[in-house]
Amino acid sequence: AQSVSQHNHHVILSEAASLELGCNYSYGGTVNLFWYVQYPGQHLQLLLKYFSGDPLVKGIKGFEAEFIKSKFSFNLRKPSVQWSDTAEYFCAVTWYSGGGADGLTFGKGTHLIIQP
Amino acid sequence: GAVVSQHPSRVICKSGTSVKIECRSLDFQATTMFWYRQFPKQSLMLMATSNEGSKATYEQGVEKDKFLINHASLTLSTLTVTSAHPEDSSFYICSAFALGGGYEQYFGPGTRLTVT
Repeated sequence: AQSVSQHNHHVILSEAASLELGCNYSYGGTVNLFWYVQYPGQHLQLLLKYFSGDPLVKGIKGFEAEFIKSKFSFNLRKPSVQWSDTAEYFCAVTWYSGGGADGLTFGKGTHLIIQP
Repeated sequence: GAVVSQHPSRVICKSGTSVKIECRSLDFQATTMFWYRQFPKQSLMLMATSNEGSKATYEQGVEKDKFLINHASLTLSTLTVTSAHPEDSSFYICSAFALGGGYEQYFGPGTRLTVT
């Protein structure tokens, strides 16, 4: 079955520290990859996405992610985090079915706390 | 940007009653909408895919007779939880897939259902 794994469920960092959140998906095929953020009390927002092309994608708020096909990974990075980055982060994948839109398979999420 | 609304944002109902949740794309047309369920401190699980004018496709393990989905127009999908029980208490989130929207799903703010 298709699955998405996020390695870190809880991460605590100090402001200005660098961030890397791991994400792996279960098998190959053509995939579309996403990272979403959910701030406390708010709905999901798209941070960045990868469909094809340059495997290093840049998103909003200084986030970036690198798609490594051979490792089935799509890790999220930010060189210097801020207190406002405290949130829940979800990695999500769709496996291209050749039809129309496909539902997302989400990882379990990473709760990130940034200490001032 | 594309906006998706859900109504109601919170609902409390008694066991055995039915509850309808609406999902609307406010400024774009959505041929496909998705319904997800999120348990406390857990990830989102895809329940069903709703295509305008056709029957919804349910994920394995989701009871289609309990979770009735109707996608009557390009801007509205509804989820009705029939004969609700306390175990149906959860956070229900919809997303809408925009035509020409770069294969991105836009998420609603979610509906908190509590069954007493």
